[in-house]
Amino acid sequence: GQQVMQIPQYQHVQEGEDFTTYCNSSTTLSNIQWYKQRPGGHPVFLIQLVKSGEVKKQKRLTFQFGEAKKNSSLHITATQTTDVGTYFCAGSSNDYKLSFGAGTTVTVRA
Amino acid sequence: GAVVSQHPSRVICKSGTSVKIECRSLDFQATTMFWYRQFPKQSLMLMATSNEGSKATYEQGVEKDKFLINHASLTLSTLTVTSAHPEDSSFYICSVRGTTFYEQYFGPGTRLTVT
Repeated sequence: GQQVMQIPQYQHVQEGEDFTTYCNSSTTLSNIQWYKQRPGGHPVFLIQLVKSGEVKKQKRLTFQFGEAKKNSSLHITATQTTDVGTYFCAGSSNDYKLSFGAGTTVTVRA
Repeated sequence: GAVVSQHPSRVICKSGTSVKIECRSLDFQATTMFWYRQFPKQSLMLMATSNEGSKATYEQGVEKDKFLINHASLTLSTLTVTSAHPEDSSFYICSVRGTTFYEQYFGPGTRLTVT
């Protein structure tokens, strides 16, 4: 199956700054999904990207799917304390199973 | 999205005993549910896909006789950890597959500690 790699593993951000987390797959994906897990919580679905080169925005979050459908990124602008948590990308290749990246754990300095 | 519950939220058991974890889809008929385990500060590892009315499909390296999965109805799947050992201690999370984007809705998880 596909392997999904995600970097960085940890991101320490000053409140108000921007950051990006990146995902790469060893194989072409049919879609990629992003989830957020708050400390002590469970993953919550954020968004799905399907089309090559697709870009979607949710307020301060911008999600991109690469042209080759093998990589994706999540960019957060003006980081707030509510952004704390672990962000996972999860890729799928022609079936409904998801392969999760290692996650990027975000902490925010006020 | 779907609302998913898990029971129990935490369980401590002795080595050699069996533990059953329930996953319920409260507002959605789920033909497919997934079981994951997550070690501290690590990612989610898919253990098996639970299909209503049929046998579960296990991922490579997951022992089907140790992790028994039963998906007897469209709203309930159970995971039984048989003859548990300390190395089975982990966070077990189930999910339900949605139909809009085939996204997954996760339960709150079950923290299993085997002593």
